[in-house]
Amino acid sequence: AQSVAQPEDQVNVAEGNPLTVKCTYSVSGNPYLFWYVQYPNRGLQFLLKYITGDNLVKGSYGFEAEFNKSQTSFHLKKPSALVSDSALYFCAVRDMGDSSYKLIFGSGTRLLVRP
Amino acid sequence: GAVVSQHPSWVICKSGTSVKIECRSLDFQATTMFWYRQFPKQSLMLMATSNEGSKATYEQGVEKDKFLINHASLTLSTLTVTSAHPEDSSFYICSAIQGHNSPLHFGNGTRLTVT
Repeated sequence: AQSVAQPEDQVNVAEGNPLTVKCTYSVSGNPYLFWYVQYPNRGLQFLLKYITGDNLVKGSYGFEAEFNKSQTSFHLKKPSALVSDSALYFCAVRDMGDSSYKLIFGSGTRLLVRP
Repeated sequence: GAVVSQHPSWVICKSGTSVKIECRSLDFQATTMFWYRQFPKQSLMLMATSNEGSKATYEQGVEKDKFLINHASLTLSTLTVTSAHPEDSSFYICSAIQGHNSPLHFGNGTRLTVT
């Protein structure tokens, strides 16, 4: 069965500092990995995805994520945080061999960037 | 591109009544749509997978007679909460997929409050 773990409920960082939001996953086959961001009372916005290829994936708003197969991780990073990055971030995984296209989400990590 | 429109954005209804939520893919055809439910400060719980022209596939523990899903066309799926009760109050989010390697695209969610 697929699962995603986001070990941190909240990450606090000062504006201008680098940020990392952690994610580890478990799938039986090869993974498709995604990061989404959610602002209050809104749906989820797609940030980036890993399918195949380079382990470092670049996405929207300056975010990037690194796929590490041996550690089964897909941590989200940004070199310099902005106050406007404060939101709820979700990591998600789909098994490449799953024809249902179901996406399984982690529990979410709240990012708080202080001025 | 890849816009998903969800309507209404919020609704208040009385206990015992039914509420219909619409999810439309505006600029692409979505053979598969998903309905999620999100409780406060919690992750998204997949309720069901909706395939155009066939019955929805419900996740374990989701009452199919209470949460009626219809995927009448390649651009429209509806979720009807029947005989709503206060415990059905939640944030419901739909999503649609464009293709196998594509991310899910989400609607902005519907805040349902049952009084």
